[in-house]
Amino acid sequence: DTAVSQTPKYLVTQMGNDKSIKCEQNLGHDTMYWYKQDSKKFLKIMFSYNNKELIINETVPNRFSPKSPDKAHLNLHINSLELGDSAVYFCASSHVRGSSGNTIYFGEGSWLTVV
Amino acid sequence: GQNIDQPTEMTATEGAIVQINCTYQTSGFNGLFWYQQHAGEAPTFLSYNVLDGLEEKGRFSSFLSRSKGYSYLLLKELQMKDSASYLCASRGPLNRDDKIIFGKGTRLHILP
Repeated sequence: DTAVSQTPKYLVTQMGNDKSIKCEQNLGHDTMYWYKQDSKKFLKIMFSYNNKELIINETVPNRFSPKSPDKAHLNLHINSLELGDSAVYFCASSHVRGSSGNTIYFGEGSWLTVV
Repeated sequence: GQNIDQPTEMTATEGAIVQINCTYQTSGFNGLFWYQQHAGEAPTFLSYNVLDGLEEKGRFSSFLSRSKGYSYLLLKELQMKDSASYLCASRGPLNRDDKIIFGKGTRLHILP
């Protein structure tokens, strides 16, 4: 069974559209993240949620809105998509916030291409 | 704040040893991770160091010097499947804003 799963894996859409990426983890973790990896392979944190509460928002345009209905799910909705949003979006999770050594487990990534 | 620096690319030969260095500047430092990422795949966990010294795990070892803000990943008996990007990541303070920040990765090419 996949520990962190995200859908869709591939998404091609036109500029201006609104799209969502869904993420679920079955590891019992209480913290979930969204990372963006651009064409230069730089993996950059976007958001972090702990027990459904937004903890980190790293200067991401407000066109990006994360939603966590419960601690096992963290979805990412993107409004008015732009060409620069093309990237791989990785969902991730980790266990008990504040404890040293927590490893982040990544989903397989969602390849978003805006045309 | 957090700042991480590692070489962009390295090349090594199958069967050889390679060392990938990482320097970091992290306020309230609480650990250094190494992840491996093959092209088109998700990053996977390799190692975690929080205390000074060398941690060995099979062909891979990771070293940390907190006083120098320095870590390295040592890969021995290189295999073709080790061709991947290696991401250094540092962890900041263990508090509400706890986050793990990644470097830009070192792309390792293995030659036969």
